[in-house]
Amino acid sequence: ILNVEQSPQSLHVQEGDSTNFTCSFPSSNFYALHWYRWETAKSPEALFVMTLNGDEKKKGRISATLNTKEGYSYLYIKGSQPEDSATYLCASHNNDMRFGAGTRLTVKP
Amino acid sequence: EAGVTQSPTHLIKTRGQQATLRCSPISGHTSVYWYQQALGLGLQFLLWYDEGEERNRGNFPPRFSGRQFPNYSSELNVNALELEDSALYLCASSLARVRGETQYFGPGTRLLVL
Repeated sequence: ILNVEQSPQSLHVQEGDSTNFTCSFPSSNFYALHWYRWETAKSPEALFVMTLNGDEKKKGRISATLNTKEGYSYLYIKGSQPEDSATYLCASHNNDMRFGAGTRLTVKP
Repeated sequence: EAGVTQSPTHLIKTRGQQATLRCSPISGHTSVYWYQQALGLGLQFLLWYDEGEERNRGNFPPRFSGRQFPNYSSELNVNALELEDSALYLCASSLARVRGETQYFGPGTRLLVL
């Protein structure tokens, strides 16, 4: 994988549903994987940065895991709320910083 | 503590003109990054400055340039504007020239080239 790829491109869930997204990234010259949350008309907000294989990070209802050997990271949201609606970006820091196109999450009340 | 600030918020130019975008990092941050998000595309890395020097640049033509001042603020200059330069330009700052440091983003400058 040469680029950072995210799936799905968009996701619509009901309030209370749990959901997860995938980020695939180049495993060569890997240094760090970042997750950002980007709400419309606001700046991207840093969620997590992970560097080690097997890293797991958690912030409230949101958690993330990292597999550097196979080059993927998962972001989980437990019990989605309407305020979780945003675009979730991952970025892989290898020789430079590359962002995925994002997963746009819409949580319906 | 003030976050990353950018100016102007919006900029309208015509083809062939030059645009200058400005960024002030979070106090204490020495690294500044510039990104472009064109319509329908993801964030594309443009430039990275640290301690006044350009450390890396993305796959953009030389008419995209910039500089970092002694107070760590930065300017992005785009010469000979083309229609496809219309995009949101985001600036981010981080604590140090260390890979993996969290980057904190500004609100962006939306450039429209007519």
